[in-house]
Amino acid sequence: DIQMTQSPSSLSASVGDRVTITCRASQNIANYLNWYQQKPGRAPKLLIFAASRLQNGVPSRFSGGRSGTEFTLTIASLQLEDFATYHCQQTFSTLHSFGQGTKLEIK
Amino acid sequence: EVQLLQSGGGLVQPGGSLRLSCAASGFTINDYYMDWVRQAPGKGLEWVGRSKTKAYNYTTDHAASVQGRFSVSRDDSKNSLYLQMSGLKSEDTALYYCARTYYDSWSGYYWFDTWGQGTLVIVSS
Repeated sequence: DIQMTQSPSSLSASVGDRVTITCRASQNIANYLNWYQQKPGRAPKLLIFAASRLQNGVPSRFSGGRSGTEFTLTIASLQLEDFATYHCQQTFSTLHSFGQGTKLEIK
Repeated sequence: EVQLLQSGGGLVQPGGSLRLSCAASGFTINDYYMDWVRQAPGKGLEWVGRSKTKAYNYTTDHAASVQGRFSVSRDDSKNSLYLQMSGLKSEDTALYYCARTYYDSWSGYYWFDTWGQGTLVIVSS
């Protein structure tokens, strides 16, 4: 099974900050990596697919990157509505798996 | 509007069974893989299983944690997805989401672009 490890598990930041969340795969998954945003009491929402491709309607301050088996989600300038939990998902293997989530809180 | 409306959750005793439903509107599930994902209280997301389209013989895949106990199915005529759960354990307690999967057959990329509202399953005596 492919394990996805996100870091940090939680993060405090301020409006306007640049923030990066990392997701590391236990093996090569090429670009088969998606990012979702989840707000309390709501279903997840797709932000980025194929490691770096922005879903329609998602603000351009969100971006995704990859270096080997390490993937990053960067928010260029945090807005109030960005405080949420972020999840990565690998779809390289038939049996998909998610990271444990990163909770982004207001400092 | 593309929507997934879920039903069928509730309280069930350990060892019991339950069937979750996910009714699609605004699109036809014929054209899409459909998946189930769950989230235990205060935890991250866990992929549960998938139903592929008729073109792929309605093949299903399930996570190891539910293999042999849960079964994903679909009824294209009703535009609905189902999750039949049996042999339920306390660790199956979670909010269950259905999701529409976009599968790009050329690149092999998948992503979940539409989610249901979630339905809560509590396994407890």
